[in-house]
Amino acid sequence: NAGVMQNPRHLVRRRGQEARLRCSPMKGHSHVYWYRQLPEEGLKFMVYLQKENIIDESGMPKERFSAEFPKEGPSILRIQQVVRGDSAAYFCASSPSSGGSEQFFGPGTRLTVL
Amino acid sequence: AQSVTQLDSQVPVFEEAPVELRCNYSSSVSVYLFWYVQYPNQGLQLLLKYLSGSTLVKGINGFEAEFNKSQTSFHLRKPSVHISDTAEYFCAVSEQNAGNMLTFGGGTRLMVKP
Repeated sequence: NAGVMQNPRHLVRRRGQEARLRCSPMKGHSHVYWYRQLPEEGLKFMVYLQKENIIDESGMPKERFSAEFPKEGPSILRIQQVVRGDSAAYFCASSPSSGGSEQFFGPGTRLTVL
Repeated sequence: AQSVTQLDSQVPVFEEAPVELRCNYSSSVSVYLFWYVQYPNQGLQLLLKYLSGSTLVKGINGFEAEFNKSQTSFHLRKPSVHISDTAEYFCAVSEQNAGNMLTFGGGTRLMVKP
């Protein structure tokens, strides 16, 4: 049973470009979470999705960031018009349910904005 | 809203010595508690979790943690560390009866020296 998969593992963008980060949850998991880890900091929650629904996006910046989890295919975190401050590691996690169930983390995508 | 404080950003310790990594949390509601480990350039792996029941929780790799409700703490301990335990450790909480989103502490870097 493959774990949570994220691609790309490393992404380099110039300021103003778009970044698309993909996350395939573990088989059978319908809950997906995105977290951001800035250098030398802990992880910060961004968004919680179930299939075709955004459940909680309280951690998402108000502009330029969006996320989706379509009926088919991976979850996508999209950052438009990237700025240097977006440079971070972005982690996706999945769980089979809510309510204290373990979240399984992917290896992360390290975004560098030049 | 909840918050998590890991008082020590770095903990150096000699191999085979005991270690305690401290975690305190603040929340107006009941929470679930977790400890995750992150090895360099990897995602997070769950060490252990407290949902209910016995306040002493045993996890993988010989780690254990004790939930102290009156002190709102969930300190992680290991009686004898190995070089391979060198990693970043994160304490996290999630609200009971709510979404499964995790709030993380800032992390503690455990450095085991020979």
